[in-house]
Amino acid sequence: GQQLNQSPQSMFIQEGEDVSMNCTSSSIFNTWLWYKQEPGEGPVLLIALYKAGELTSNGRLTAQFGISRKDSFLNISASIPSDVGIYFCAGYSPTGTASKLTFGTGTRLQVTL
Amino acid sequence: DTGVSQDPRHKITKRGQNVTFRCDPISEHNRLYWYRQTLGQGPEFLTYFQNEAQLEKSRLLSDRFSAERPKGSFSTLEIQRTEQGDSAMYLCASSPQGQDNYEQYFGPGTRLTVT
Repeated sequence: GQQLNQSPQSMFIQEGEDVSMNCTSSSIFNTWLWYKQEPGEGPVLLIALYKAGELTSNGRLTAQFGISRKDSFLNISASIPSDVGIYFCAGYSPTGTASKLTFGTGTRLQVTL
Repeated sequence: DTGVSQDPRHKITKRGQNVTFRCDPISEHNRLYWYRQTLGQGPEFLTYFQNEAQLEKSRLLSDRFSAERPKGSFSTLEIQRTEQGDSAMYLCASSPQGQDNYEQYFGPGTRLTVT
């Protein structure tokens, strides 16, 4: 099935650094969600975006819904060890059903002390 | 804890056996979803319920797979005659009713290993 493209695939950063990752699609989306998944667990919802251009924060996390509606960005400021995990973007396409989330390929984040 | 729960968390079975997984959604959520996730990939949609009605099924859901939500609360996912390719994490999610609410909340998943 269709998957969104995320970059980078993985990141190794030092504690305290800021992190940026993005998600792109060949088609437009009308809702973007960002999730974090840790080993052996289900994805945890971090941020939801509903309007093109929208910028939303959740603590040290900030996400943006791209103006083109084909991309979204997630930034993490001042990373800490517990930020380690895989970050997935997910979206609803206006051509799909309201039920079906399409997920990205994931960005694996490693934080070193 | 009022989050989505799944049972069992892990299941090891021999090829050809049948397995059944259970999902209990967040109590006030009427929408329930099943996804499958293989190693290194994002979750892939399998099926969706609104209350007890199964409204959509992915082409990934072969004839060996069946899902039910008989009373509009918990759901079960059954895989018959398991194959090694069925090995994956099976995730359940739920969301509240609401035209503009697309936020899905996931359970911890059931890790299936077919030997």
